[in-house]
Amino acid sequence: DTGVSQDPRHKITKRGQNVTFRCDPISEHNRLYWYRQTLGQGPEFLTYFQNEAQLEKSRLLSDRFSAERPKGSFSTLEIQRTEQGDSAMYLCASSLALNGVANTGELFFGEGSRLTVL
Amino acid sequence: QQQVKQSPQSLIVQKGGIPIINCAYENTAFDYFPWYQQFPGKGPALLIAIRPDVSEKKEGRFTISFNKSAKQFSLHIMDSQPGDSATYFCAAVLSGGYNKLIFGAGTRLAVHP
Repeated sequence: DTGVSQDPRHKITKRGQNVTFRCDPISEHNRLYWYRQTLGQGPEFLTYFQNEAQLEKSRLLSDRFSAERPKGSFSTLEIQRTEQGDSAMYLCASSLALNGVANTGELFFGEGSRLTVL
Repeated sequence: QQQVKQSPQSLIVQKGGIPIINCAYENTAFDYFPWYQQFPGKGPALLIAIRPDVSEKKEGRFTISFNKSAKQFSLHIMDSQPGDSATYFCAAVLSGGYNKLIFGAGTRLAVHP
């Protein structure tokens, strides 16, 4: 399967614990995005990477959240001191842009990592 | 100004019916309007997209109608099938950006046999 893969698919944790999600984008894609989706809502943008550079962070991304893409390939999203309000589906997406121009405008999403904070 | 408003929240049609989902936006800097389809337990997947220089785009049974002056666009599903039962999201992308999608809240469609 050459799509976007996310791990773990499900995570249940207790309030106050730290969690980390991993995203492996489509191999040739240089753009990577994290979104958060709560029940009954559309995905909300969290952050964006162009290769290894994090170019935008949403105000939704509090200081407890940190994302990295150290070698411009896979990415991690860490949530420290989790709160019940962090319970959501965390979606990763990737796309390809050549010379700064998006190829088709299409984002390819993974199946998400569902977080439940007790 | 960066919101995309989507309606209805849910929709039930009979097989063969034509569900219509509507979206509206305020920011005229949006220049790409995709629709994504999401099945339970899956990530969203691009269904069809349109740019504001055309008023309609059709791909198979799916049609986007775009009204630039009203800042509205809609998705029509012709001859709907039970397999079309999913959540549909409209979205918008700012021009000159990096494909950052601003999603609507979604419409849960159920197509009954």
